[in-house]
Amino acid sequence: QVQLVQSGAEVKKPGSSVKVSCKASGGTFSNFAFSWVRQAPGQGLEWMGGIIPMFGTVNYAQKFQGRVTITADESTTTTYMELSSLRSEDTAVYYCARDVVVTATQNYFYMDVWGKGTTVTVSS
Amino acid sequence: SYDLTQPPSVSVSPGQTARITCSGHALPKKYAFWYQQKSGQAPVLVIYEDSKRPSGIPERFSGFGSGTTATLTISGAQVEDEADYYCYSTDSSGNHGVFGGGTKLTVL
Repeated sequence: QVQLVQSGAEVKKPGSSVKVSCKASGGTFSNFAFSWVRQAPGQGLEWMGGIIPMFGTVNYAQKFQGRVTITADESTTTTYMELSSLRSEDTAVYYCARDVVVTATQNYFYMDVWGKGTTVTVSS
Repeated sequence: SYDLTQPPSVSVSPGQTARITCSGHALPKKYAFWYQQKSGQAPVLVIYEDSKRPSGIPERFSGFGSGTTATLTISGAQVEDEADYYCYSTDSSGNHGVFGGGTKLTVL
């Protein structure tokens, strides 16, 4: 079955950038789609954006537009999430997830397999 | 931006039925999904497309969607069901995801 292995915890300074990786195994990467979701301490889940590598489609939540970049590398079966201009409020656990994408009478997607999360701490 | 609204908390005794609601204006046209998140763990999908249960999810978990409200029902809640529950859906374009604020279920 599909497994997602994320990179390790990061500590960053305000104003810097962080790039988190998520390596997929157990399926055909070119058929995958991925979302990135974050969770600040004691807070809820927040969808940041997603990518469909087969179509080269990337969508971002309005809140993160201009500050987040999501990419995918088929050669390494890895998706990446880079967040720039970090501030203390970006301290959170960042999850990657495999999306199930449906384009039929309805157009939607949802996450069915999740990575274990990567803790990013932003502190001076 | 699109919002999904959930109650912050629900509390039941073991064996009782727990119901968690999720309201959103696009839900009449978009499916709702439900995730369970236990402390320190990644979320787990427990209901998809309003009412379908993934393999391995106990039958006591069910879902229903009607109009602008989706409902997760746990019939005969167990102590191990204590967790945060999040509803999820997409906006009207289907290209952006959104989570509800989460509901903390207490079973004691």
